[in-house]
Amino acid sequence: NAGVTQTPKFQVLKTGQSMTLQCAQDMNHNSMYWYRQDPGMGLRLIYYSASEGTTDKGEVPNGYNVSRLNKREFSLRLESAAPSQTSVYFCASTKQRQQYEQYFGPGTRLTVT
Amino acid sequence: GENVEQHPSTLSVQEGDSAVIKCTYSDSASNYFPWYKQELGKRPQLIIDIRSNVGEKKDQRIAVTLNKTAKHFSLHITETQPEDSAVYFCAAANQAGTALIFGKGTTLSVSS
Repeated sequence: NAGVTQTPKFQVLKTGQSMTLQCAQDMNHNSMYWYRQDPGMGLRLIYYSASEGTTDKGEVPNGYNVSRLNKREFSLRLESAAPSQTSVYFCASTKQRQQYEQYFGPGTRLTVT
Repeated sequence: GENVEQHPSTLSVQEGDSAVIKCTYSDSASNYFPWYKQELGKRPQLIIDIRSNVGEKKDQRIAVTLNKTAKHFSLHITETQPEDSAVYFCAAANQAGTALIFGKGTTLSVSS
């Protein structure tokens, strides 16, 4: 099993450009999550999908959109990138809601200039 | 919503000493409290977790304690080793039990 995979690993965008971060898991997990990690700020939840067909806002959803494409895939879209969105983005999944271990992907390092 | 506070933000110990990291949470309905370790440049990985019907859990050199009345939980690492150096995050499940809210992290440095 590959676990949780993310693409791309690195990306540089100019202000105003758009892009989609891709995430997929092969563990048949129901719940998937997107976090951003900034120095001294920990892991902040952007959006999550508790089950296929549902999405909900987390702590810092402004400037982002998500799509739960199917049970395996959960994408994060930046419509108009801003320098404040420079961060490391992690996708994670768990079997069901928050009673089980969350498995994280390797992360995407995004720089917006 | 749920809020998780974590202290200290940095912790330096000598090899062989114990390390303690403390977290408080705000939502009394939270019932799941995991701890994650993140080595430099790597993804976070679960090291231990505790559910609200348990007061303490141990796994070799690592233990977690939970005080539901005071709404705080702690990570204890005994006999620290240089490979324990990493950032540690506590988390608590939100009220709906659908997501985790993380603390800001503690950078642990173990010197030999």
